[in-house]
Amino acid sequence: EPEVTQTPSHQVTQMGQEVILRCVPISNHLYFYWYRQILGQKVEFLVSFYNNEISEKSEIFDDQFSVERPDGSNFTLKIRSTKLEDSAMYFCASMRQRKGELFFGEGSRLTVL
Amino acid sequence: ILNVEQSPQSLHVQEGDSTNFTCSFPSSNFYALHWYRWETAKSPEALFVMTLNGDEKKKGRISATLNTKEGYSYLYIKGSQPEDSATYLCAFISHTDKLIFGTGTRLQVFP
Repeated sequence: EPEVTQTPSHQVTQMGQEVILRCVPISNHLYFYWYRQILGQKVEFLVSFYNNEISEKSEIFDDQFSVERPDGSNFTLKIRSTKLEDSAMYFCASMRQRKGELFFGEGSRLTVL
Repeated sequence: ILNVEQSPQSLHVQEGDSTNFTCSFPSSNFYALHWYRWETAKSPEALFVMTLNGDEKKKGRISATLNTKEGYSYLYIKGSQPEDSATYLCAFISHTDKLIFGTGTRLQVFP
């Protein structure tokens, strides 16, 4: 069964460093999302991506964040200069059509020291 | 700011009890409402995608209803089993593709 895969599963980084989280969505899906969950808090929407551009982003998704779909398969989230408060589990999800369901990856845990 | 609320925050029930939780969402700019089941150490798994006011969906012992005019959805579990223990998340999708998750209801079913 096709699935969304995310790498790395866990990354530890120093504050101020750049981090790239990678996702491979399901191949015929058209809508892509990044979410995060800070430990003990709710799942927060970061950004949605459709037709090679951002369709919606949250107030969390500031200039330090960017997304790319460079080669038609990978969907990456870059954090330019990480802060302590960026420590969270980051989930990628994809959806085939707007009325479909989201399929989630298993998440990438980011720890910023 | 779009607010999606779920209640209760957590629930402990005995095996065999039936239970239900609520998801409240903005009634304007509605496109769809999703329910997900999220077990610890796994990724969320879709239960239902609901788009029309009055929608009722069922999957085994789990069912959901949708009222888009007043902005709420109910999830029901009939005869809860220990394997139903998980966090249940609802998610509101707006017409602009913003998908906002609720706060979640953590269900614990005791044998």
